Amino acid sequence: QLQLQESGPGLVKPSETLSLTCTVSGGSISSSSYYWGWIRQPPGKGLEWIGSIYYSGSTYYNPSLKSRVTISVDTSKNQFSLKLSSVTAADTAVYYCARPLNYYDSSGPFDIWGQGTMVTVSS
Amino acid sequence: EIVLTQSPATLSLSPGERATLSCRASQSVSSYLAWYQQKPGQAPRLLIYDASNRATGIPARFSGSGSGTDFTLTISSLEPEDFAVYYCQQRSNWPPDSTFGQGTKVEIK
Repeated sequence: QLQLQESGPGLVKPSETLSLTCTVSGGSISSSSYYWGWIRQPPGKGLEWIGSIYYSGSTYYNPSLKSRVTISVDTSKNQFSLKLSSVTAADTAVYYCARPLNYYDSSGPFDIWGQGTMVTVSS
Repeated sequence: EIVLTQSPATLSLSPGERATLSCRASQSVSSYLAWYQQKPGQAPRLLIYDASNRATGIPARFSGSGSGTDFTLTISSLEPEDFAVYYCQQRSNWPPDSTFGQGTKVEIK
């Protein structure tokens, strides 16, 4: 059974870079030919797709975040990662990693989700 | 950016009643519309994809309909575990993009 688990610092200072990793277990990132995505949810608010990466490294980002986002993949560790630069309090959110239902879909729908990790931006 | 507007914001119903949730897109999304259920402290759960297809393991009381700009999620008879927040999501394959609605909370009356 495929499982995703987010990890990373729970507190980031304003103007710094938020870095999170998603570890995939129960399956291989490189052999399954799927996209892998990041979605976030500010406290008490709705969901926002951040971006997705193919196992080969091709990336697609939300246009509103594109200038600050980098998603990368490390197939040797079965992980993919998110970096969000120049963070502000508005980036405080629960960050989820997720996999789409179909191998050919990059931005959803997402049927396998990690449990989420809360990141607070504060000095 | 395609904006999804969900209504109502809150739906107060009793167990056994029928729930009808709406999601309207600012421009056509064809049938690329999904619905999720989210309970407090949990990740979203995919219910419906491509407007009307139930995801694996989703009970038959959940159904989706619509195409273009107007979509509906119907829960035919509310079970106690159905009280939650529901989100719609649209996706486009080229260029890849996605947005979610702001959510509808289904609460116990």
